[in-house]
Amino acid sequence: GENVEQHPSTLSVQEGDSAVIKCTYSDSASNYFPWYKQELGKRPQLIIDIRSNVGEKKDQRIAVTLNKTAKHFSLHITETQPEDSAVYFCAASYSGGGADGLTFGKGTHLIIQP
Amino acid sequence: NAGVTQTPKFRILKIGQSMTLQCTQDMNHNYMYWYRQDPGMGLKLIYYSVGAGITDKGEVPNGYNVSRSTTEDFPLRLELAAPSQTSVYFCASTRIEDQPQHFGDGTRLSIL
Repeated sequence: GENVEQHPSTLSVQEGDSAVIKCTYSDSASNYFPWYKQELGKRPQLIIDIRSNVGEKKDQRIAVTLNKTAKHFSLHITETQPEDSAVYFCAASYSGGGADGLTFGKGTHLIIQP
Repeated sequence: NAGVTQTPKFRILKIGQSMTLQCTQDMNHNYMYWYRQDPGMGLKLIYYSVGAGITDKGEVPNGYNVSRSTTEDFPLRLELAAPSQTSVYFCASTRIEDQPQHFGDGTRLSIL
C-alpha cells in the first residue's frame, strides 16, 4: 500500500517569513495530493490540493508543488501569520481520494513566532 | 447543509464494552470513510464505503465493523472495546472520486 513520509515534524518560523513542508510518497499510481490544516481539537480542513497532471498550484499565500518523477510534493506558505499556526498534514491517494481513501503523513506542527 | 455530522462528540468506555459511533451526511455523497487519529499522528483509514450496501477494509480494520444501509449513514461499531482503541475518530465523505473529502468534527473516545 501507499506510504507517505512528511518532514519536518515541527517547524518554527518568524511571522512574515516563509514555511515549507515536504512529503514523499511510495506508490507511483497515486494521483491526488491534498493538504489539510488541523487546529487543536478541530477537524482537518482542506487548504489546497493538487492532481498528478499539474506541477504547481497556488492560492493566495499557499502553494503546492509536485514532482512525480521523484515522488515528492511540498507545501509553501508565504508571509506567514499567527493564524497559520496549526498542524499540517499531507496525504496521497489513487483516484482522487475516492474508493481507497487517503494515506496521511504524520503531520507538521507549524509554529509562527511573533 | 449540515455537512458531515458525528455523534457522540465524547465518550468514555470500559474495556469490553461495545458502542456505535454515528456518522451521517446530507450532501448525497456516495463515498464515506472512517479514520482514526492517535495523539501526534496522522489519520489512518479504518473502513470505507463506495455506496449503500458496499463496504471494505482500510489500513486498520481490526476490532471494528461498519454497515451502509443508506447513502446518508455510515455507523462504526466497536464490539469489544480495548485500550488500544482510545483515539479520535473522524468520518469523511465525498461525492465522486476526484473531489476533496469533507470531515466531521470527530468523536473523542477513551477506553479505560
